[in-house]
Amino acid sequence: QSALTQPASVSGSPGQSLTISCTGGSSDVGGSKFVSWYQQHPGKAPKLILYDVSSRPSGVSNRFSGSKSGYTASLTISGLQAEDEAEYYCSSFTTSDTRVFGGGTKLTVL
Amino acid sequence: QVQLQQWGAGLLKPSETLSLTCAVNGESRTGFYWDWIRQPPGKGLEWIGEFNHSATINYNPSLKSRVTMSFDTSKNQFSLKLRSVTAADTAVYYCATWEVATTGTKSQSWGQGTLVTVSS
Repeated sequence: QSALTQPASVSGSPGQSLTISCTGGSSDVGGSKFVSWYQQHPGKAPKLILYDVSSRPSGVSNRFSGSKSGYTASLTISGLQAEDEAEYYCSSFTTSDTRVFGGGTKLTVL
Repeated sequence: QVQLQQWGAGLLKPSETLSLTCAVNGESRTGFYWDWIRQPPGKGLEWIGEFNHSATINYNPSLKSRVTMSFDTSKNQFSLKLRSVTAADTAVYYCATWEVATTGTKSQSWGQGTLVTVSS
């Protein structure tokens, strides 16, 4: 199975909104309602910030939102803050009952 | 939310078997997936395999021939074995579990990670 495709890096200024894309195929993103997003700060374990495309776990800021269209899922972060600077990964359940991650996107807050 | 504590050998020689265990502590609502995930130094996440609530185990096809996962319900622990390791298996290995609250909200807990280095 191939990794999902994410941009290597994105950047934005505090207060701005930005979107990170995650592109797969019919066997993963396109065929699954189980797309998740993770935030990982250096030296820390990943943290789940969205599941089932657009649902937020308890305690996660509503500045994080998700959507999906066709083979591409998207994470939008609104009101960008300094603490949002991190690596972000998408993940999808597949039609083979496996999971696959994206390559990761480094978010820089300018 | 449950807490996961993982342990295992951190330094292996090529061809040896990696062995890690993850203990699930704390109040558990309804755990229904238990995963192993790894991250090579400076690289992205790679899914290794998963137990589901039906006691089915699914593995990453690229690792399937070398991986065995098991679950000890009496100890609330799950384990990973990866045979015939090479330097390419050097990574931080994480265990993780998905839970579902009575409200239907999902959450996921992660272990602290174990750096496994394969070197002769």
